[in-house]
Amino acid sequence: GQQLNQSPQSMFIQEGEDVSMNCTSSSIFNTWLWYKQDPGEGPVLLIALYKAGELTSNGRLTAQFGITRKDSFLNISASIPSDVGIYFCAGRYSGAGSYQLTFGKGTKLSVIP
Amino acid sequence: KAGVTQTPRYLIKTRGQQVTLSCSPISGHRSVSWYQQTPGQGLQFLFEYFSETQRNKGNFPGRFSGRQFSNSRSEMNVSTLELGDSALYLCASSWGERPPWDEQFFGPGTRLTVL
Repeated sequence: GQQLNQSPQSMFIQEGEDVSMNCTSSSIFNTWLWYKQDPGEGPVLLIALYKAGELTSNGRLTAQFGITRKDSFLNISASIPSDVGIYFCAGRYSGAGSYQLTFGKGTKLSVIP
Repeated sequence: KAGVTQTPRYLIKTRGQQVTLSCSPISGHRSVSWYQQTPGQGLQFLFEYFSETQRNKGNFPGRFSGRQFSNSRSEMNVSTLELGDSALYLCASSWGERPPWDEQFFGPGTRLTVL
């Protein structure tokens, strides 16, 4: 089945630094989503990407849908303490009407004040 | 508008028992998907319901089942619980139409512990 490799698994950064994480897939997707999950809560949607090559921003967050449709990255600029959490990428291929999301294993972000 | 709600938030069961979890989607959403989240396997897709019909299914044993009601609320059931079923069970709702522009919004999850 489809697999998503998300890296890095964890990051420790200083407040104010920029962060970059990425996901690669063995199969193509036509939707990439980035979620953030806080402890004890469900994932919250940050950015959705629908087109190869698309670059989308949401405040300090920027994500891109790779040209090959097999990868995506998320950048966070000028990190702040509330950025702490686990970030997940998720991909979906809906060619057959599937709504199933395939998730990466997550990147755990720690921000040192 | 109100988000996705899941009940109960926490549940403790013993091996061999069965459990039913409930999910109420965002108003107007007709699709409900269920996911299991564990530290080892991450988030894994269980199944998706749309208009009371199971439309997609993941690779879980038949002990995991679900249903959706006419008001789009959904339940999932796990029978003959095993220790490995301990997990955070998440449901996500969406409009369920116009893929790929169909974003899923997650509830807070139900934390199931099997003793």
